[in-house]
Amino acid sequence: DTGVSQNPRHKITKRGQNVTFRCDPISEHNRLYWYRQTLGQGPEFLTYFQNEAQLEKSRLLSDRFSAERPKGSFSTLEIQRTEQGDSAMYLCASSLVWTPTYEQYFGPGTRLTVT
Amino acid sequence: QQPVQSPQAVILREGEDAVINCSSSKALYSVHWYRQKHGEAPVFLMILLKGGEQKGHDKISASFNEKKQQSSLYLTASQLSYSGTYFCGTHSHQGGANNLFFGTGTRLTVIP
Repeated sequence: DTGVSQNPRHKITKRGQNVTFRCDPISEHNRLYWYRQTLGQGPEFLTYFQNEAQLEKSRLLSDRFSAERPKGSFSTLEIQRTEQGDSAMYLCASSLVWTPTYEQYFGPGTRLTVT
Repeated sequence: QQPVQSPQAVILREGEDAVINCSSSKALYSVHWYRQKHGEAPVFLMILLKGGEQKGHDKISASFNEKKQQSSLYLTASQLSYSGTYFCGTHSHQGGANNLFFGTGTRLTVIP
């Protein structure tokens, strides 16, 4: 499989619960990005990793959100104490940093619904 | 830093042409164009890196006016498969994080 994969594809949770999403990037890609997309909007940047280092976080990423990329391969995004406002599509993308064009390849996303 | 796209939506008949515009209030290093179909991931179309650059493949092309901080996506002789929401993503730094700021999208519907 040469694409970015994300699991689960859908998650329904009750407010206050913790959830964790996983992203497996394209194997040779150094950079991994997390975005959030709500209905009718474009993807909003949350954070990105270069290998295992988390290099930047958006102000959108509150302290209830945490992301990891151990060993520079797959990444997880955890949301603690979920709120209804967290309901969105969470997209993961990866890119090969040493290309001049930096195109990002997106995964299918995890749709989170907080009830 | 979010770029502004126009129009918000457009309906075309097969074979018609469309232009989607993307403008930013910040100086841009690159503009990325993606198409997203309902329920699917955004799919990369092209990147424009230099002012005045034009790129294209098939019947979809784009231009980038660095001085005006604008990019336009041109779809000619539209096909049903072109339907979807088109996003521009803008990047203001050379190298570095390559954080993209996406516009709110332009929904394109092509009808027979």
